[in-house]
Amino acid sequence: AQSVTQLDSHVSVSEGTPVLLRCNYSSSYSPSLFWYVQHPNKGLQLLLKYTSAATLVKGINGFEAEFKKSETSFHLTKPSAHMSDAAEYFCVVSATSGTYKYIFGTGTRLKVLA
Amino acid sequence: NAGVTQTPKFQVLKTGQSMTLQCAQDMNHNSMYWYRQDPGMGLRLIYYSASEGTTDKGEVPNGYNVSRLNKREFSLRLESAAPSQTSVYFCASSSVAGADTQYFGPGTRLTVL
Repeated sequence: AQSVTQLDSHVSVSEGTPVLLRCNYSSSYSPSLFWYVQHPNKGLQLLLKYTSAATLVKGINGFEAEFKKSETSFHLTKPSAHMSDAAEYFCVVSATSGTYKYIFGTGTRLKVLA
Repeated sequence: NAGVTQTPKFQVLKTGQSMTLQCAQDMNHNSMYWYRQDPGMGLRLIYYSASEGTTDKGEVPNGYNVSRLNKREFSLRLESAAPSQTSVYFCASSSVAGADTQYFGPGTRLTVL
């Protein structure tokens, strides 16, 4: 069975400081992992994805995530937050075999303080 | 190239009314999906279509029906709307079903009174 847990429902950072959004996953199969961002009243946009190539994945807008199999984690980071990063972020797991499904985390709302 | 489009953007229904949400994609994708998003629950899969001519239930299919009209279009129908179906509905598509990137539409905000 697959599952994903986003460890923080809300994160606040000051503009210019680092961002860390935490995600742990569980999967019976070799997983694919994704981070999506949703700005207010908008659809979901792909930030980055991991599909068993390099464990450090770089995405759009300066975000990156590291796949750590031993810790079953896929945390999202950015060195310096910008006001435009304020949004909701979803971690998603999908198996590479056995099932088609995307399993969504419950989301982390990022607030960026001026 | 519009990606995934959804109509309408907003809708208000009374309990018991029916309606169809439309979704179309222009990326020549084989697989399409319908999700609902409720506060604090992430997105939950209602139905999906792995390829043209096939549809399958997802996590929360009760009260919904779908039609894969052709490769481009995938509609979601509420036969008798209930207040519990108040939600934001997202359509998505991907090249293949499985661990493949899904591309999302802008959503339909539905309120059932």
